Amino acid sequence: EAAVTQSPRSKVAVTGGKVTLSCHQTNNHDYMYWYRQDTGHGLRLIHYSYVADSTEKGDIPDGYKASRPSQENFSLILELASLSQTAVYFCASSDATGGSSYEQYFGPGTRLTVL
Amino acid sequence: QQKVQQSPESLSVPEGGMASLNCTSSDRNFQYFWWYRQHSGEGPKALMSIFSDGDKKEGRFTAHLNKASLHVSLHIRDSQPSDSALYFCAVSKPNTNKVVFGTGTRLQVLP
Repeated sequence: EAAVTQSPRSKVAVTGGKVTLSCHQTNNHDYMYWYRQDTGHGLRLIHYSYVADSTEKGDIPDGYKASRPSQENFSLILELASLSQTAVYFCASSDATGGSSYEQYFGPGTRLTVL
Repeated sequence: QQKVQQSPESLSVPEGGMASLNCTSSDRNFQYFWWYRQHSGEGPKALMSIFSDGDKKEGRFTAHLNKASLHVSLHIRDSQPSDSALYFCAVSKPNTNKVVFGTGTRLQVLP
């Protein structure tokens, strides 16, 4: 079965500190995504990537960077963490060819608390 | 920017009852509507997609799409406590791997 894993599962960070969230997929999918989930806002796209060594901005990219060093791995980087970035972050992957109607497979999430 | 509106925000139904969730897209340029379900502490998981007018049934779940009104609904028959979750509607655009998610409907099935 398709698998997306995330680490860490939870993290407490200090304001102004650097945070790196990691995602690994074994689906052999080309597309990977980072979303944040906040109550009342649903899932919002931060960054995505369709090939290694390339990333694209999503709908809310400010304050975040992304890195895709390989097809399997996709990281989200908060260079200067802020209180407003407290949220649950989800990584997802999907097939590039339209197979399964572009279904996205999600990881279990990382709960980030910035103090 | 395309928006996806869901209603109601929350819903309670008795076990064995019917739950009905609604979703409307602000953009006529779409390819698929998706329904995702998220149980507490987990990531969302796809339930079903629909792209043609009419009904699509998968087990106890039926999606109904009306392209003219950009509206899709999800009906859950014989609701079970395990159906208690957050349900997201999502819309994908043609020839793109990006989707826009709604804000979700929280369903509680009461034993």
